Amino acid sequence: GAVVSQHPSRVICKSGTSVKIECRSLDFQATTMFWYRQFPKQSLMLMATSNEGSKATYEQGVEKDKFLINHASLTLSTLTVTSAHPEDSSFYICSATTGGGVGEQFFGPGTRLTVL
Amino acid sequence: GENVEQHPSTLSVQEGDSAVIKCTYSDSASNYFPWYKQELGKRPQLIIDIRSNVGEKKDQRIAVTLNKTAKHFSLHITETQPEDSAVYFCAASVGGSYIPTFGRGTSLIVHP
Repeated sequence: GAVVSQHPSRVICKSGTSVKIECRSLDFQATTMFWYRQFPKQSLMLMATSNEGSKATYEQGVEKDKFLINHASLTLSTLTVTSAHPEDSSFYICSATTGGGVGEQFFGPGTRLTVL
Repeated sequence: GENVEQHPSTLSVQEGDSAVIKCTYSDSASNYFPWYKQELGKRPQLIIDIRSNVGEKKDQRIAVTLNKTAKHFSLHITETQPEDSAVYFCAASVGGSYIPTFGRGTSLIVHP
């Protein structure tokens, strides 16, 4: 149980285009999902916390107009990288919790974004 | 906010040796400490966690210890195997919040 999927796993796009990444909790309802960015050989950097039915909470330094997050249902959150540039190239990972108290985060498999 | 320091950044051991990774945290209110293993290009996966009401937890070759007074916790891997090679992240979070603060990671290399 507690499986999180992410789609696509890999995307290559041209500079200036927008890219949408989906994160789904397959067998549980996720009130809260998280979006991380990870550069090579570095730690997970929290970008935003996504709550179902409300606006995402962005971490300091993360542009909310650049990284649009929508959490339309208890099983789906999307991250849209708008007007992508080469510096946005990175590994994006989502995670979700099963709810109730402090507990384990379940991570998606990640999306490798390359902006040409 | 919470600050988590993790050491070492790289750890190289021979197969069969033990490996120890240490983390410190700054927020005394933190009460949940998970450890994640991330293989190259894959998702982080929880390998063990500990809560502040416990000083030590063990699961086969993996153990975690917590010293609340000193605000540090450690991951111990015994009888290391090449498949243990990965990046390990520690994290700390405050009760009532799911948002953990991650350490910078330790790249463990186990030589056959």
